Amino acid sequence: LAKTTQPISMDSYEGQEVNITCSHNNIATNDYITWYQQFPSQGPRFIIQGYKTKVTNEVASLFIPADRKSSTLSLPRVSLSDTAVYYCLVGSLRDDKIIFGKGTRLHILP
Amino acid sequence: DAGITQSPRYKITETGRQVTLMCHQTWSHSYMFWYRQDLGHGLRLIYYSAAADITDKGEVPDGYVVSRSKTENFPLTLESATRSQTSVYFCASSESSSGVAYEQYFGPGTRLTVT
Repeated sequence: LAKTTQPISMDSYEGQEVNITCSHNNIATNDYITWYQQFPSQGPRFIIQGYKTKVTNEVASLFIPADRKSSTLSLPRVSLSDTAVYYCLVGSLRDDKIIFGKGTRLHILP
Repeated sequence: DAGITQSPRYKITETGRQVTLMCHQTWSHSYMFWYRQDLGHGLRLIYYSAAADITDKGEVPDGYVVSRSKTENFPLTLESATRSQTSVYFCASSESSSGVAYEQYFGPGTRLTVT
């Protein structure tokens, strides 16, 4: 499983766009990139997943460059309720298990 | 109610005691997982199961036992609880044949304290 590196914490303000970058230099050909969000005292929640280029859903966008050695989760116009820990995970369809790192603690300020 | 539930939500036990954490899902998902999360850390996989009667170790399986006689249930047993097992335990399930490419659905967690 490819190891991921992401910032420990980030601060931003309401209404701003937030970009969280994850490095995964050893990503394999079959690996997908998945992001989860976790609020205090709750289990993680799936946000978005991608393989290459750009993926967008109602919550976020995921940008993956051609070399796939990094990815960026983009949260548009954040609000206070987006304060949470965000995890970047990398794995393949052949893996039965995934590894969560320590994530990025995002703090949105008013 | 449909979804994934865990019980108990809170548990205090003494060192050396056996304790079982329950996990139940109503989706008939094939994959189920147990994670622990220690204060200030990410989640670490303890055990997972691909189907009934099929289980496998994760990153930190020592001191834990799992079983899966029915698709919907995946209990986690601490055979002889230690203080280092004080943690929040999350159960999750996934509908796919791989837990990676498809989203995992997490339960609300069980906060376990071992005194």
